[in-house]
Amino acid sequence: DTAVSQTPKYLVTQMGNDKSIKCEQNLGHDTMYWYKQDSKKFLKIMFSYNNKELIINETVPNRFSPKSPDKAHLNLHINSLELGDSAVYFCASSERESVGELFFGEGSRLTVL
Amino acid sequence: EDQVTQSPEALRLQEGESSSLNCSYTVSGLRGLFWYRQDPGKGPEFLFTLYSAGEEKEKERLKATLTKKESFLHITAPKPEDSATYLCAVFAGANSKLTFGKGITLSVRP
Repeated sequence: DTAVSQTPKYLVTQMGNDKSIKCEQNLGHDTMYWYKQDSKKFLKIMFSYNNKELIINETVPNRFSPKSPDKAHLNLHINSLELGDSAVYFCASSERESVGELFFGEGSRLTVL
Repeated sequence: EDQVTQSPEALRLQEGESSSLNCSYTVSGLRGLFWYRQDPGKGPEFLFTLYSAGEEKEKERLKATLTKKESFLHITAPKPEDSATYLCAVFAGANSKLTFGKGITLSVRP
């Protein structure tokens, strides 16, 4: 039974398109995250939500819009995709905010052509 | 800004050849240092938390240690299944986000 699941695993799309990635956790955690891992494997936080409330919003273009309908779900919508958006996007959760033990999903590899 | 530097970038070992991975950090007020393992095509998997200098944690062939400036992940008699990327991350000061290093890719040859 997957703890943090995200879909789709792969997305290939053209520049200018809009795409969404969905994430669900069944761990009962309060906090969820979106991380971006670039081609050099560098993992950087984008957003964090605690009980559906946005608590971390890094310097991310406003083409990226997270949405948390409930504390078990955190989705990421990306408008007007650019080549530089190509990366692996990871969803993660933790029991509460400000803890370092995160549970990650398997990632969604986005390729923008 | 918090900085985490991991070295070497890549390490190739023969099965059974023990070694150490380094994570040095520059932060203001360390609240915790974390090690993760990431297999190709997978998300990072949590390994250890270290809170204060002198602390050590062990799990199978891995032992993590912490000083005031760096952490080491010691791998004793590694096996091919230990091949992965090992990531180090810190929580510091009033920051509520984890800052990750770039990772060390370990390959263990049979």
